[in-house]
Amino acid sequence: EDKVVQSPLSLVVHEGDTVTLNCSYEVTNFRSLLWYKQEKKAPTFLFMLTSSGIEKKSGRLSSILDKKELSSILNITATQTGDSAIYLCAGVPVQGGSEKLVFGKGTKLTVNP
Amino acid sequence: DSGVTQTPKHLITATGQRVTLRCSPRSGDLSVYWYQQSLDQGLQFLIQYYNGEERAKGNILERFSAQQFPDLHSELNLSSLELGDSALYFCASSVEGNTDTQYFGPGTRLTVL
Repeated sequence: EDKVVQSPLSLVVHEGDTVTLNCSYEVTNFRSLLWYKQEKKAPTFLFMLTSSGIEKKSGRLSSILDKKELSSILNITATQTGDSAIYLCAGVPVQGGSEKLVFGKGTKLTVNP
Repeated sequence: DSGVTQTPKHLITATGQRVTLRCSPRSGDLSVYWYQQSLDQGLQFLIQYYNGEERAKGNILERFSAQQFPDLHSELNLSSLELGDSALYFCASSVEGNTDTQYFGPGTRLTVL
């Protein structure tokens, strides 16, 4: 059964800190890994990673995939209170034409002023 | 705003009842996905439709069914509701069934009393 595990489950930091969120996956015929940010409601897309070792970057957020270790990390530098959210990692297995996402339970990040 | 719309935003009903949740995908997106998010299970894939046809099924109960109409909007029908069906139900859409980036709607919060 496809599985995605995120750690830690929750994290409390102060503004300005740098955080690293972890995601490991066991996904049939792995195609890609996605990161989402969920604040109050709908998850919003952050990154899609398909190739090992290539960093994706957007402002203070960056992410990288390690296919050998079946894992990914999401880094956030100089955290701000607006980064407080649940960060979700999802694996995409290749199963015919289906692109279902297999989500981890998320990491709840709280950034205190 | 992802461009995916869902109605209603909130739904409160009693056990044994039947409800219908509605989703309109982003303009041009052919694929619609339904997810259930509960506190203990996280985000779980339910079902995917592509251009009116069912493409993949996940952990969807037999009491639940869905369809996608010619105008590409989709409905998720939940019947014989139980307390445990209380959750956030998300719809997501993507351009085709083979792209990994799914855009999520704001969700429908279902409360079964």
